[in-house]
Parts: sequence; structure tokens; C-alpha cells
Amino acid sequence: IAGITQAPTSQILAAGRRMTLRCTQDMRHNAMYWYRQDLGLGLRLIHYSNTAGTTGKGEVPDGYSVSRANTDDFPLTLASAVPSQTSVYFCASSERLAAYNEQFFGPGTRLTVL
Amino acid sequence: GQNIDQPTEMTATEGAIVQINCTYQTSGFNGLFWYQQHAGEAPTFLSYNVLDGLEEKGRFSSFLSRSKGYSYLLLKELQMKDSASYLCASADSNYQLIWGAGTKLIIKP
Repeated sequence: IAGITQAPTSQILAAGRRMTLRCTQDMRHNAMYWYRQDLGLGLRLIHYSNTAGTTGKGEVPDGYSVSRANTDDFPLTLASAVPSQTSVYFCASSERLAAYNEQFFGPGTRLTVL
Repeated sequence: GQNIDQPTEMTATEGAIVQINCTYQTSGFNGLFWYQQHAGEAPTFLSYNVLDGLEEKGRFSSFLSRSKGYSYLLLKELQMKDSASYLCASADSNYQLIWGAGTKLIIKP
């Protein structure tokens, strides 16, 4: 593994179903993030984690949950998917939660909720 | 409130110079980032400015004026591979990034 990986690459999901998007990084970064990207809008932060064992809410956390059991993994769960959650989801990481730290992004997961 | 504004789309000619502007309103400003995103791909880091002035990095330069809440990305000697979206993002008081919607740059031969 080099950098950040996400799985699946894409998924079509029926409304009401539960879904977990996976994210793994091998850079030993402390901070990790989940964003969604919708056409015409900027990236919006869903949840973030400063370090293993801690998580925080971003701008649009409703309907999503995260966990950070270890440094490398940061899964995002949709408990009961709704069509408005159709989006491209990016996982990102940085050395720490600090202003000057660039964020490295995974390749994204394209999710369609029908 | 917090807000980032940048043009939706720009067109430029191969070999030319283009300037992409960004204005921001961020509580507890902690710096301004520029990222490049090719269609269907992930954003990649281009630059970070926290002090006023121009930062040059090869063909790309980024400028910041904190007093005006203004930044620009300057791309010189444009190449076809520079066709992409350019995302402006400001870091707020919690070090979280507030993102603009991106500027789609179209390069014509």
C-alpha cells in the first residue's frame, strides 16, 4: 500500500441499507478526514479524527458515523442510506491536525443511493 | 459566516499565463491552500500561504493578501495537462479546511 486506499471504488445502494466505506493509510498520519464532494459545491467535511481513539464532527455529520480504532483505518458508516447521500466520498489524512499540514487524499468512492 | 468564492470556469491557451482568483471569509484564518483536481481523480496539494506575498514553485505561484481576504494562483507556460479544477481552501480557527467549489480550467491548443 502506498498512501491512502479506499473501498469500494463505486457502489449502488438501495435506500435504507447500511453501508461502510473503508479507508486505510500507511503514512502513519495522526489526522484523518472524510469529505463528500457534490457538483457545484466545495468539499464538505463530514467527520475527522485527530488521532486514534478520537473523532469529531465536521460540517455535515448527520446520517454518518466514524470510528478510529487504530492509526491506519478510518471507516465511514451510513446507518440507513438516503438518496441525498449520493455523492463522491473522499478520505484524506495529514501528519496532524494543524494549519500548515497538507492533506493527502484517497481515490474516492462514488456512491449512488436509489 | 465562512465563505470561499472563486470563478466557476476559465479558459486559456496553451503556453499562456492564467490567474485564478479566490476570496475568502474565514473565522480565525490559519492559511490558504490550493489543490489541483483532474476529472475523476482525487485533489492533490499545490501550495500553502499563511503570510502575505507571493510563493513561487516552478510554473505555479500563489499569492495571499490577508487584509483583503484574497488569494490567486498563477499558472505560467500552460500545458494541456494543466486542464483540471483548481480548489481554493482556507484553514479556520480549528484548522479545518473550508473549500471553494473549484475553478474548472480549460486549456485550448
